Amino acid sequence: EAQVTQNPRYLITVTGKKLTVTCSQNMNHEYMSWYRQDPGLGLRQIYYSMNVEVTDKGDVPEGYKVSRKEKRNFPLILESPSPNQTSLYFCASSLKGQGAPADTEAFFGQGTRLTVV
Amino acid sequence: GESVGLHLPTLSVQEGDNSIINCAYSNSASDYFIWYKQESGKGPQFIIDIRSNMDKRQGQRVTVLLNKTVKHLSLQIAATQPGDSAVYFCAELDSGGGADGLTFGKGTHLIIQP
Repeated sequence: EAQVTQNPRYLITVTGKKLTVTCSQNMNHEYMSWYRQDPGLGLRQIYYSMNVEVTDKGDVPEGYKVSRKEKRNFPLILESPSPNQTSLYFCASSLKGQGAPADTEAFFGQGTRLTVV
Repeated sequence: GESVGLHLPTLSVQEGDNSIINCAYSNSASDYFIWYKQESGKGPQFIIDIRSNMDKRQGQRVTVLLNKTVKHLSLQIAATQPGDSAVYFCAELDSGGGADGLTFGKGTHLIIQP
């Protein structure tokens, strides 16, 4: 089954304690991205990756890091989490064909609800 | 900055009626639009897309209309069913722009009345 898998689904942590949210896709997609979803603000892109070893900032990258060492994995790293990073996080992947927009038929993971206290 | 938004945060319709969810966008360079459906506790799901060289596209029970003159996008759902209850997001993309990602609207919660 084609899917995007995020882990963990729920996480409560303390300010300053480094954490990683993993994301894996089994569709051989080139394009992967991370979004955060906050009430009244919709989905905002944090980082995206066009392919292995190619990453770039989205609209709200501050406080986050990513890596793309393999095509299937795109972890989101919070080196020193703060309470304003409490949010619902979604990883997405899509196949960027020639001439196609990057997020064509993006597949989203189930989400990771992060609380930073 | 540029933004994509929805006119109503909540839309309540009777089961069996048609639903129309509206979206206004402000980036005139946007050339690709997508509607996503997000059910409670799940990630967004692609519903239908439309490119700026079209003004209408139909899927199964859904139709997307694009009016570039007034920068307006709508999603029509025919014969609304309980399973249509969800939050619907419009998203836009300027495929020639530097940022290679979608800009999402804030979402409209569609509630189905029995």
